[in-house]
Amino acid sequence: AQSVTQLDSHVSVSEGTPVLLRCNYSSSYSPSLFWYVQHPNKGLQLLLKYTSAATLVKGINGFEAEFKKSETSFHLTKPSAHMSDAAEYFCVVSDRVGGFQKLVFGTGTRLLVSP
Amino acid sequence: KAGVTQTPRYLIKTRGQQVTLSCSPISGHRSVSWYQQTPGQGLQFLFEYFSETQRNKGNFPGRFSGRQFSNSRSEMNVSTLELGDSALYLCASSSRTDGTEAFFGQGTRLTVV
Repeated sequence: AQSVTQLDSHVSVSEGTPVLLRCNYSSSYSPSLFWYVQHPNKGLQLLLKYTSAATLVKGINGFEAEFKKSETSFHLTKPSAHMSDAAEYFCVVSDRVGGFQKLVFGTGTRLLVSP
Repeated sequence: KAGVTQTPRYLIKTRGQQVTLSCSPISGHRSVSWYQQTPGQGLQFLFEYFSETQRNKGNFPGRFSGRQFSNSRSEMNVSTLELGDSALYLCASSSRTDGTEAFFGQGTRLTVV
């Protein structure tokens, strides 16, 4: 079974500074990986996806992630944090079960942005 | 294009009752998945439907069931509610036949008292 580990439960940054949210994955085959964001009392929004094309993936709102097979990592970055980025972020891997896929979520990283 | 719509947004039920939650996927999406989100367990997969067939089921008791209609709308039902069923229930739809790259609704917040 595939899994992801989000290495930090909370990350605090100041507005205008870089953001790094870390994620390691475990997969027996080439995985499909995603980052989702959840704002308070909202559903999940897809930020970006990796599906074995380019290893550097650009997403919405200035976020990007780099797939590194040698390190089994898929860290999420943003050059400059904005107050509106404060939310919970989930690293997700697609697991193949009986020929079909299901999403396996990490435990989430809460991003706090201070002025 | 309208997003995934879940109704109702909030529900309060009593232990022992049953509840039905509804999900309307994005137009054209045939895959619908359901997830339970709780502070303790995080996001857990419940089940996935494609063209009215349940293809995948998570590790939940039989009290949790679902179905999908010919227009791809889906419902999930929880019978004999327990306090531990209090959670945010999220529905996701996908245009992909493998069900990935899912788009989520805002969820239904179920509180069992």
